[in-house]
Amino acid sequence: EIVLTQSPATLSLSPGERATLSCRASQSISTYLAWYQQKPGQAPRLLIYDASNRATGIPARFSGSGSETGFTLTISSLEPEDFAVYYCQQRSNWPKTFGQGTKVEIK
Amino acid sequence: EVQLLESGGGLVQPGGSLSLSCAASGFTFTSYGMSWVRQAPGKGLEWVSTISGSGGSTFFADSVSGRFTISRDTSKNTLYLHMHSLRAEDTAVYYCAKDLWEIGLGYHFDSWGQGTLVTVSS
Repeated sequence: EIVLTQSPATLSLSPGERATLSCRASQSISTYLAWYQQKPGQAPRLLIYDASNRATGIPARFSGSGSETGFTLTISSLEPEDFAVYYCQQRSNWPKTFGQGTKVEIK
Repeated sequence: EVQLLESGGGLVQPGGSLSLSCAASGFTFTSYGMSWVRQAPGKGLEWVSTISGSGGSTFFADSVSGRFTISRDTSKNTLYLHMHSLRAEDTAVYYCAKDLWEIGLGYHFDSWGQGTLVTVSS
């Protein structure tokens, strides 16, 4: 099973600041990684697929990068609605696995 | 617009059974793989199971293999998760999710239902 490790667990930032979230895979997954955003009481929302492609309707302030075992989600300038939990997920192998999440909270 | 609406959650005793449904609309149901993903209270996301568009291929997490089955009724555009021998650790919100692409299976999930809560407790 491919283990995805996200860091940090919590990121405390102010609106307008840049957020950088990391996801490391226990083995190479090429670029087969997605990022999701989840707000309390809501279902996850797909932000980025295949490491760097924004999903439909996702603002340009969200960007993804990386390959093999190291990936980054960047939010260039945090908006109030961006404070949430973010998960990475790999599609390289079964079982499909998620990271444990990074909470982006208001400082 | 894609819509996924889960139902069937509730309270069940350990060792019991429960079936979840997910009514789908807004896309060609038979063209996409569908999955169930769960989230225990206060925890992260866990993939549970995936079924191909035709229903001919199914995949399960080790934690539910042999206890859960997944199926789909194309005449009703509905996905199912049949859960047996339920354990306390199966307590979670269960989401159905649609594959991003028509090709491949269980790749990334671009549409999610609102979730249905399953509580396993005596």
